[in-house]
Amino acid sequence: DGGITQSPKYLFRKEGQNVTLSCEQNLNHDAMYWYRQDPGQGLRLIYYSQIVNDFQKGDIAEGYSVSREKKESFPLTVTSAQKNPTAFYLCASSITGVGTEAFFGQGTRLTVV
Amino acid sequence: GESVGLHLPTLSVQEGDNSIINCAYSNSASDYFIWYKQESGKGPQFIIDIRSNMDKRQGQRVTVLLNKTVKHLSLQIAATQPGDSAVYFCAENFQSASKIIFGSGTRLSIRP
Repeated sequence: DGGITQSPKYLFRKEGQNVTLSCEQNLNHDAMYWYRQDPGQGLRLIYYSQIVNDFQKGDIAEGYSVSREKKESFPLTVTSAQKNPTAFYLCASSITGVGTEAFFGQGTRLTVV
Repeated sequence: GESVGLHLPTLSVQEGDNSIINCAYSNSASDYFIWYKQESGKGPQFIIDIRSNMDKRQGQRVTVLLNKTVKHLSLQIAATQPGDSAVYFCAENFQSASKIIFGSGTRLSIRP
């Protein structure tokens, strides 16, 4: 089946630890995105990538890092520098250019304990 | 600056009535607008889209209206059903960068 897969669904992290969230897509999309969603809030853009080996910061990139070594994969690392990492993280992909919808994964809920 | 925002954070509608969810945007260069539906604990799902050269587009039970003069977008859901309960987001996409910016969302609840 074609789609976008995020793993794990739930993730617990101790304070001070880095953690990496996985995002894989087999839709042959060039563009991929990471969003953060807090309870009762909208989606805020963390990072996005339009092509392999290239990515740009979104509105809230501080404390996060990404890589785009393969077209299919766009992992997000939540570093210890992120002061309030507990949130719901959503990955999406799309064809590049205007007029294309984004397809979302089912999200990863990260909790810092 | 770039922003997409919603007028109402919550909306309660009687089952069977029509729902109207509103959205304001500030980037006049936006080319494309999308409505997403997000159910609890899940990722957003595409509902309907509209390009900036249109003012209305209809889908199955849903209609999107775009008023570029006042930078306003709305989603109309006909004969609202319990399965329509969710948070609805508008989003915009503009040519200066291949990124999609989301509004803050409206929670739609259905009264039996």
